[in-house]
Amino acid sequence: QSVLTQPPSVSGAPGQRVTISCTGSSSNVGAGYDVHWYQHLPGAAPKLLIYGSTNRPSGVPDRFSGSKSGTSASLAITGLQAEDEADYYCQSYDSSLSGSVFGGGTKLTVL
Amino acid sequence: EVQLLESGGGLVQPGGSLRLSCAASGFTFSNYGLSWVRQAPGKGLQWVSVISGGGDSKYYAGSVKGRFTISRDNSKNTLYLQMDSLRAEDTAVYYCAKDWRYYYDTRSYLDYWGQGTLVTVSS
Repeated sequence: QSVLTQPPSVSGAPGQRVTISCTGSSSNVGAGYDVHWYQHLPGAAPKLLIYGSTNRPSGVPDRFSGSKSGTSASLAITGLQAEDEADYYCQSYDSSLSGSVFGGGTKLTVL
Repeated sequence: EVQLLESGGGLVQPGGSLRLSCAASGFTFSNYGLSWVRQAPGKGLQWVSVISGGGDSKYYAGSVKGRFTISRDNSKNTLYLQMDSLRAEDTAVYYCAKDWRYYYDTRSYLDYWGQGTLVTVSS
């Protein structure tokens, strides 16, 4: 069981907006540590999507956005495209474990 | 262009050892921390270990502490993971990933990843 909790799957039609939640606790997200998001297509290298909870690396479309409040964070994807179909992971730091932790991952299906 | 290429994976018996390598290019290697992250079959990502740019600072996940050793050779732009006393639950794809800064801390994230190498621990 992952320290950060994500829904196993989400889906949406092309053009729609979806959100993926990442729920932690007082030893990680709730402690004020940043949340980062990665996109992972099967067989490929994971890709950084959001860092510092809300920032996009250069080259990442502004369709992707991140937010954080309390013990939770969210990744929002607007204008869904077929190429967005992938697994998405959140990551933060956990003071109890003294290391980085990932969510269990969310599979996004574009209908 | 940043490139990270893992190698050294394979089939090993429980209790055995394996050394993974990650050859890096496209950035000033010694300026950045590097991590190993793994993904067991059908499971999510799990952080394994991190080493600072100069190799002077190292951290491990509890599940591998005492069994795995991370190291780097900055003259060869290569990261290593020595895995000893391997268990079936260590079976996973192991990814090498670059930290955005020199030292690992609470703000660390991974801005570039390799494509991974598969380690299978089975008799």
